Amino acid sequence: DAGVTQSPTHLIKTRGQHVTLRCSPISGHKSVSWYQQVLGQGPQFIFQYYEKEERGRGNFPDRFSARQFPNYSSELNVNALLLGDSALYLCASSPPGTRSLYEQYFGPGTRLTVT
Amino acid sequence: DAKTTQPNSMESNEEEPVHLPCNHSTISGTDYIHWYRQLPSQGPEYVIHGLTSNVNNRMASLAIAEDRKSSTLILHRATLRDAAVYYCILRNFGNEKLTFGTGTRLTIIP
Repeated sequence: DAGVTQSPTHLIKTRGQHVTLRCSPISGHKSVSWYQQVLGQGPQFIFQYYEKEERGRGNFPDRFSARQFPNYSSELNVNALLLGDSALYLCASSPPGTRSLYEQYFGPGTRLTVT
Repeated sequence: DAKTTQPNSMESNEEEPVHLPCNHSTISGTDYIHWYRQLPSQGPEYVIHGLTSNVNNRMASLAIAEDRKSSTLILHRATLRDAAVYYCILRNFGNEKLTFGTGTRLTIIP
């Protein structure tokens, strides 16, 4: 089975621009979470979506938004990019049922560089 | 979220056991202890989790102190592929959000 896939792998944007990152969860997984990982730090929680509804939001500004589609794929949008948004953006999906409480499967991430 | 404390880095020889410690003195009764690891250039990977009792799976063992204020991840026979950053995370029951710290960078010496 394919794992969590993310696109693009890398991208470079300029300050003030907008970016959309995409994630496809493992087949059968209905929950998707987004994390930001700045170099040298652990991932920080941004959003969680389940069945197209937002279930949780981390301490990130309103420039960050996300959505989940009927096929459970997800997009993370970041507006008005700042240099500090440069990071690895990770998507994770969780299996249905109680396993969602302890297993998250992460994709390889999208490396965003803001210049 | 309750916090965890881990050493910044550890080294171990290949084919020897590795004991990765984690302190979590403010753990609550409904906090599960999770371990994830992140290999270079990859996303984090689930390793193991537990509540009160010691746990074993194909990847590792988790030893939980009787008062639950500390735990130890045990890799029984380290290989070069085990070189990674290991994160000890407390997650409250019913909450899917993972709160990562800075983890322990494990280096395996051939």
